[in-house]
Amino acid sequence: DVVMTQSPLSLPVTLGQPASISCRSSQSLVTSDGNTFLNWFHQRPGQSPRRLIYEVSKRHSGVPDRFSGSGSGTDFTLKISRVEAEDVGVYYCMQSTHWPWTFGQGTKVEIK
Amino acid sequence: EVQLVESGGGLVQPGGSLRLSCAASGFTFSNNWMSWVRQAPGKGLEWVANINQDGSAKYYVGSVNGRFTISRDNAENSLYLQMNSLRAEDTAVYYCARAGWYSVDYWGQGTLVTVSS
Repeated sequence: DVVMTQSPLSLPVTLGQPASISCRSSQSLVTSDGNTFLNWFHQRPGQSPRRLIYEVSKRHSGVPDRFSGSGSGTDFTLKISRVEAEDVGVYYCMQSTHWPWTFGQGTKVEIK
Repeated sequence: EVQLVESGGGLVQPGGSLRLSCAASGFTFSNNWMSWVRQAPGKGLEWVANINQDGSAKYYVGSVNGRFTISRDNAENSLYLQMNSLRAEDTAVYYCARAGWYSVDYWGQGTLVTVSS
């Protein structure tokens, strides 16, 4: 199975400041036809997850443009340009290139 | 608006069985792959199973293969997860989710399954 490794696992942030989360896969997420299926999800306390980013850098409908995804191959990054209070919670990366689909351990974002 | 409503969770003894259901609305159910994803208490997310549009293709995570069966009824806009030989480590909130193009794009609110004697 593809192992997804996120860092850091805990991220204290200051409101209005940027934040960045790394996600690395144990093997390349590039398909034979050149697609890369790397997703980011956000789960607020007590809520269901919601998708933020798919295919590395495409924002889900309604997701603010302060969220951006980048990367290639095995190294990926989620960036928040200016953290807002509603951004607290746990962020997960997930690869959907290889079966079984696998998630990272999660990164808990909290306000300092 | 996409809506996914799970039901069927509860307390079950080790070795027992449970069937989860998910009622879908707000989109053309028969056009979409569907998924089950679970989250043990205080833990991260784990993808469990996928099923394609007509139910002819199914994929499972290794830990449930042979014990869980994903199925669907397109006429009823419903997704199911039959869980047999349940173990304590299957205790989790189970989310129904729409699987878009190689992704999971919408999630239900989840249903809690507790396996304990």
